[in-house]
Amino acid sequence: AQSVTQLGSHVSVSEGALVLLRCNYSSSVPPYLFWYVQYPNQGLQLLLKYTSAATLVKGINGFEAEFKKSETSFHLTKPSAHMSDAAEYFCAVTVSGNYQLIWGAGTKLIIKP
Amino acid sequence: DAGVIQSPRHEVTEMGQEVTLRCKPISGHDYLFWYRQTMMRGLELLIYFNNNVPIDDSGMPEDRFSAKMPNASFSTLKIQPSEPRDSAVYFCASRKDRVGVETQYFGPGTRLLVL
Repeated sequence: AQSVTQLGSHVSVSEGALVLLRCNYSSSVPPYLFWYVQYPNQGLQLLLKYTSAATLVKGINGFEAEFKKSETSFHLTKPSAHMSDAAEYFCAVTVSGNYQLIWGAGTKLIIKP
Repeated sequence: DAGVIQSPRHEVTEMGQEVTLRCKPISGHDYLFWYRQTMMRGLELLIYFNNNVPIDDSGMPEDRFSAKMPNASFSTLKIQPSEPRDSAVYFCASRKDRVGVETQYFGPGTRLLVL
């Protein structure tokens, strides 16, 4: 079985600062990993996904994530935060042949002016 | 493409009433998922369909909840009778059935309040 842990239900950064949202996974087989973003009163939107190709994955809006097997991590980063990045971010995992996503609890990103 | 369409966007009802939520998946998508999102429990998968057939409904909280997919372009989630603890945002998502890792596309959600 797979599981996902997102460290920190809330993360606050200043505008222009580095964004780091943490995601650790557990899986007995090679995982596929996703980051989704949810803006207020909207549905979830895919930011990026890891599908066993390059370990550094680039997504939309300047975000990227690095798959580290040794650390079972898939942390999301952005070099410089914008006010428009304020949203909730979800990490999810699945494996080949499984159509369900296992979701983390979400991390709310707060951007300080 | 119009994306996943859900209706209504907001629903306020009284305890005991029947509630029907509707979803139109993206054309050509073979899988449809119903989720519920609350502050307490986060994002929960309720049920999902493949080619209009329910595959896993283990997430459906109780018999008051039922879901149908009469054709490839329409699905409903019904709650009868509704209770205040059903208040949540309900999302529908769809994806293609292809080899590899396909993305789930989410609708905007239905915000349900049961008084």
